[in-house]
Amino acid sequence: DADVTQTPRNRITKTGKRIMLECSQTKGHDRMYWYRQDPGLGLRLIYYSFDVKDINKGEISDGYSVSRQAQAKFSLSLESAIPNQTALYFCASSEGTGGFTDTQYFGPGTRLTVL
Amino acid sequence: GQQVMQIPQYQHVQEGEDFTTYCNSSTTLSNIQWYKQRPGGHPVFLIQLVKSGEVKKQKRLTFQFGEAKKNSSLHITATQTTDVGTYFCAGPATGNQFYFGTGTSLTVIP
Repeated sequence: DADVTQTPRNRITKTGKRIMLECSQTKGHDRMYWYRQDPGLGLRLIYYSFDVKDINKGEISDGYSVSRQAQAKFSLSLESAIPNQTALYFCASSEGTGGFTDTQYFGPGTRLTVL
Repeated sequence: GQQVMQIPQYQHVQEGEDFTTYCNSSTTLSNIQWYKQRPGGHPVFLIQLVKSGEVKKQKRLTFQFGEAKKNSSLHITATQTTDVGTYFCAGPATGNQFYFGTGTSLTVIP
């Protein structure tokens, strides 16, 4: 499996604060993804990147931004956190062979609480 | 709104009973993937189906992709305690988006 790491693993912040979640992978995958998970809603795609120069909005990108600093690194920022952004956030990576046909390998997740 | 729904949301079974989760998409999917998430863990890929009507088996797990490529199912025969977790279907839809289903949480009672 791909070695996908996320930092921090847990974060508590206050409304209005800017926060960054970081993700890195060591398998040389071209594609990286950010999802949020809420109970009963499954995982929802926030942003994805098919290579270093490619950034695409997912289903729920409002209130979030991303940066693909290198092939191995993909960070997610909340510009001004609000309580309904409290969720479990997952980063994932995949090799990249065509469309969305790849196996995605997930990191351990970051539990974010916005007070 | 949510594009991919799964039923049931929760399922409790006695160990040894069978289990099925159903996945329904509002749009045609070019492929369907299934993931399993153990309690407190992260999603782990199980399988991908591509062809209309495709059936694949992994030991006690049977996966089907509907003829119209808008629905899928996962059937587990003779559940074991190691099957506990949440099962998600997922797939790409038009507009270059990727959707996960709402998930089915399976509890196996020893």
